Amino acid sequence: SQTIHQWPATLVQPVGSPLSLECTVEGTSNPNLYWYRQAAGRGLQLLFYSVGIGQISSEVPQNLSASRPQDRQFILSSKKLLLSDSGFYLCAWRGTDNSPLHFGNGTRLTVT
Amino acid sequence: RKEVEQDPGPFNVPEGATVAFNCTYSNSASQSFFWYRQDCRKEPKLLMSVYSSGNEDGRFTAQLNRASQYISLLIRDSKLSDSATYLCAATWGGYQKVTFGTGTKLQVIP
Repeated sequence: SQTIHQWPATLVQPVGSPLSLECTVEGTSNPNLYWYRQAAGRGLQLLFYSVGIGQISSEVPQNLSASRPQDRQFILSSKKLLLSDSGFYLCAWRGTDNSPLHFGNGTRLTVT
Repeated sequence: RKEVEQDPGPFNVPEGATVAFNCTYSNSASQSFFWYRQDCRKEPKLLMSVYSSGNEDGRFTAQLNRASQYISLLIRDSKLSDSATYLCAATWGGYQKVTFGTGTKLQVIP
């Protein structure tokens, strides 16, 4: 069966520090991969999605970036965090065109 | 206009009640639709996909109305454990993008 791993679960970082969140999927090949952010009390904001290695689509221009160095690995990065980057970051994958998203456990990021 | 819109609620209903949520989407080209459940401080979990002909899973029924561009979720015989936020989602942009509504909060009260 397919599983998705996301880490770390929680993170506290100072403003201006770098960020790297990693997500890996097991049990499937060539998944579509997604990064979402959920601010406190808000909905899910699509940040990036990827349909293949090295293919990244950005939904929101900001100081975040994403990379997909391997088929089942998706990384979210920032060179310098802002206070507004605080939130619940969720990685997700889906298979065939009409299949639903499956989420990782999420990373709760607090920028101080 | 937001791509997917939901009434944020909260919906406070007694145990055993039937409750319905609607979700509207703006892109008529959206192809796939889903309902998710999200508990406090947890990741969303798939509740059910929504099929064109409507579908049922136990106490839950999902409907799609393409003409009016909305999907609905009906929960019958509400349980205390149904208390959560319910998110609807739609695919668009060549079915690769998946956009969520802001969620509807349900509180089932004894």
